[in-house]
Amino acid sequence: KAGVTQTPRYLIKTRGQQVTLSCSPISGHRSVSWYQQTPGQGLQFLFEYFSETQRNKGNFPGRFSGRQFSNSRSEMNVSTLELGDSALYLCASKGQTSSYEQYFGPGTRLTVT
Amino acid sequence: AQSVTQLDSHVSVSEGTPVLLRCNYSSSYSPSLFWYVQHPNKGLQLLLKYTSAATLVKGINGFEAEFKKSETSFHLTKPSAHMSDAAEYFCVVSDLGTGTGFQKLVFGTGTRLLVSP
Repeated sequence: KAGVTQTPRYLIKTRGQQVTLSCSPISGHRSVSWYQQTPGQGLQFLFEYFSETQRNKGNFPGRFSGRQFSNSRSEMNVSTLELGDSALYLCASKGQTSSYEQYFGPGTRLTVT
Repeated sequence: AQSVTQLDSHVSVSEGTPVLLRCNYSSSYSPSLFWYVQHPNKGLQLLLKYTSAATLVKGINGFEAEFKKSETSFHLTKPSAHMSDAAEYFCVVSDLGTGTGFQKLVFGTGTRLLVSP
């Protein structure tokens, strides 16, 4: 079974631009979560989608948004990029609602200059 | 709110010696706890999980952890370190929603394990 895939793996953007990151979960998984990893703040929860609905959102500004498609693939968007948005963005998928494990993709390394 | 505290930011061991990575948790209910490992420039890999079954949990690559409610601890151990174990390790607690199946993972700050020959 293929794992979680994320594209692109690396991205360089300029301050003020916007960016879209993509995540394909493990086949059959309907829950997708996004996390931001930075040296200063560590790993922080962004949001989670299940069956195309956002179930919860972390403490991030409205510039961070996401969506999920009917095939469970998810995208996250960051508008008006700031230097502090430079981070590794990790996507994780989860199977049945009774399952506790989340499976992570390799991440997208975003650098904002 | 759930939280975890990893007591050491760095741990150095020699190859072949035991590994102990310490984690304390805070939870208002019976928690689900995990250890994840992250190798450089890689995503996170689940090592093991505790979900209110056996308190001694065995994971991959020879790692295990013991859930101790009285001490609110979930320390990760391995009898003999290997060079390939050098990585960052995260203790994680699951923060469950109310009946929706929603789950948010709350991460510790990580412990970097260094293994010398």
